[in-house]
Amino acid sequence: ETGVTQSPTHLIKTRGQQVTLRCSSQSGHNTVSWYQQALGQGPQFIFQYYREEENGRGNFPPRFSGLQFPNYSSELNVNALELDDSALYLCASSLRTGGRETQYFGPGTRLLVL
Amino acid sequence: TQLLEQSPQFLSIQEGENLTVYCNSSSVFSSLQWYRQEPGEGPVLLVTVVTGGEVKKLKRLTFQFGDARKDSSLHITAAQPGDTGLYLCAEDQTGANNLFFGTGTRLTVIP
Repeated sequence: ETGVTQSPTHLIKTRGQQVTLRCSSQSGHNTVSWYQQALGQGPQFIFQYYREEENGRGNFPPRFSGLQFPNYSSELNVNALELDDSALYLCASSLRTGGRETQYFGPGTRLLVL
Repeated sequence: TQLLEQSPQFLSIQEGENLTVYCNSSSVFSSLQWYRQEPGEGPVLLVTVVTGGEVKKLKRLTFQFGDARKDSSLHITAAQPGDTGLYLCAEDQTGANNLFFGTGTRLTVIP
């Protein structure tokens, strides 16, 4: 139990639709990162938010966007869904203090695009 | 961007056996993290290794960081069914805690 929750747990969408995934960080954590994990692969970094600002982005197109709220919850939005977007989406929260951080992962949202 | 190669990709062993899984890179790691991910869960951090030649132990798990900091291994002694999962190595390549993961080793321990 990491204290990080995600919703929904599973989701089915069709190609071209838009989706919003939600993450509730561990209490007090000011940093949230999102990862995409395709079947049989390790997680791939999408982007990170620190104090409500994007603070790093992986090799993902602009149709992947995010928000972080003052209560440290966050959203991942994906527009114009493609079949290859089918994956497990993980969020991870951490507390940035200037030293080494430990990321705490949620259980993920499994997205299927048909 | 360096590649993180993990081997073997799959491993199925009997309870009580020992095993070693590997993580190799084309470049020098700044530091390396090992995670375990169980079905339906996110990855959980097991250990972070920083110094070349470093060895860390976590109960029956022994983590080693290569002297040249380009490889790492995880050795499990007397594996138990509870060790079943996906073992991932990861590096913070940017220094901003944006983790780059390997493809993982999927371990199954048969009772």
